[in-house]
Amino acid sequence: DTGVSQNPRHKITKRGQNVTFRCDPISEHNRLYWYRQTLGQGPEFLTYFQNEAQLEKSRLLSDRFSAERPKGSFSTLEIQRTEQGDSAMYLCASSYFGGTQYFGPGTRLLVL
Amino acid sequence: GQQVMQIPQYQHVQEGEDFTTYCNSSTTLSNIQWYKQRPGGHPVFLIQLVKSGEVKKQKRLTFQFGEAKKNSSLHITATQTTDVGTYFCAGTLKTSYDKVIFGPGTSLSVIP
Repeated sequence: DTGVSQNPRHKITKRGQNVTFRCDPISEHNRLYWYRQTLGQGPEFLTYFQNEAQLEKSRLLSDRFSAERPKGSFSTLEIQRTEQGDSAMYLCASSYFGGTQYFGPGTRLLVL
Repeated sequence: GQQVMQIPQYQHVQEGEDFTTYCNSSTTLSNIQWYKQRPGGHPVFLIQLVKSGEVKKQKRLTFQFGEAKKNSSLHITATQTTDVGTYFCAGTLKTSYDKVIFGPGTSLSVIP
C-alpha cells in the first residue's frame, strides 16, 4: 500500500443517524489531517493529529463531530445526529511532520 | 482570521492559450503548496515553494512565490485538455503546528 485510503467511499444516511469514516494514512507518516470539501470550494481544515495526539480542531468542528487516532495509525471521524448541512466530501491527508500532504480519495457523504 | 484567496474563480481558455491563477494570503506564509483536483477526484500535490521570490518550473507549469511570501502564482503555457481541473494553493502558516489553509481554487476549462 503506497497511498492514503479511506472507507467507505460513499455513504448515504438519513438525517439524525450517526456515521463513522475511516482513514488509513501512509505508514511512515506521523501527521493525519481531516478536511471537508463542498462543491466549488477548497478543502476546509477540520482537525489534525500528530501520532495519537489531536493537536488542533477547527471551530467548524461542532460537538457532533469527533475524531480519534488511538494508536497513531488509522483515524476515525464520527458525525453524530447528522444534518443535511453535513453533506460533503470528507478528505483525509497524511504527512511526515509539516511536509507534503498526500490526500486520500475521500468519503462522499449524503444526508437525506 | 487568516485567509487565502485565489483569482479567478473560473477560467475558460482555448486549447493552446496560456493560463494564470493568483493566490494571496492575508498573512506571511512559511511555504505554499499547489494542488490539482480533477473533476470527481481528490487533490494531488504539484509542488511546494519555500523561499522568498522562488520560481519553479514543471514542464509547461511555472510556479512563483512572492518576495513578501504572501502571494503566489501558477502559470500554464499552451494549455492542453489534460490541464482541466481545479488548481488550489495551500499556505502553511507560521504557527507551532504548521497549519495549512487552502484557497477556494481556480477551475480551469480548456476548449479543444
